[in-house]
Amino acid sequence: KNEVEQSPQNLTAQEGEFITINCSYSVGISALHWLQQHPGGGIVSLFMLSSGKKKHGRLIATINIQEKHSSLHITASHPRDSAVYICAVPNYGGSQGNLIFGKGTKLSVKP
Amino acid sequence: NAGVTQTPKFRVLKTGQSMTLLCAQDMNHEYMYWYRQDPGMGLRLIHYSVGEGTTAKGEVPDGYNVSRLKKQNFLLGLESAAPSQTSVYFCASSYSGGTETQYFGPGTRLLVL
Repeated sequence: KNEVEQSPQNLTAQEGEFITINCSYSVGISALHWLQQHPGGGIVSLFMLSSGKKKHGRLIATINIQEKHSSLHITASHPRDSAVYICAVPNYGGSQGNLIFGKGTKLSVKP
Repeated sequence: NAGVTQTPKFRVLKTGQSMTLLCAQDMNHEYMYWYRQDPGMGLRLIHYSVGEGTTAKGEVPDGYNVSRLKKQNFLLGLESAAPSQTSVYFCASSYSGGTETQYFGPGTRLLVL
């Protein structure tokens, strides 16, 4: 079974700062997901990536398959980026279709 | 498109009562999932379905049952609710398995007294 660790658990930043959230996993995968959970509870998928880097606006996700590690970066952070960011990977030890989720990183961006 | 919807949004039950949570999706997805989210823990898979008429157990299935009689609907049942089932429940759907994007419903907050 895959194990997923995220760091840090909590992160407070000032508006405009560059943010990095890390995710490591224990079993080799073909793809990794980053999700965002809004303060109201809704969960949306941000990225699914299998190699290299993806960018969407001010969000950048990178993955190093060999090191079993991914990072989510936010450039020029804004209070509206305040949310919980969750990393998830397929659990190939379990049944097809399962994702294993990290506990999340709670980000608070102060104006 | 409504995406993934969940009914109800909030419910209070007494221990021993039963209830059914309904999830509906209009994206013609094959895979559907029920998760629970508890403080300090990641989302945990309760049951899932890889197509109409199929269901399978996830990580924490005890005390729950599911049915997928129609492709667009996935029902989660609690036959005899317990305080340990107090949680936020999320439904999700995807076109296929673990490398596909999952689309989440807004969640159902359940309190069992």
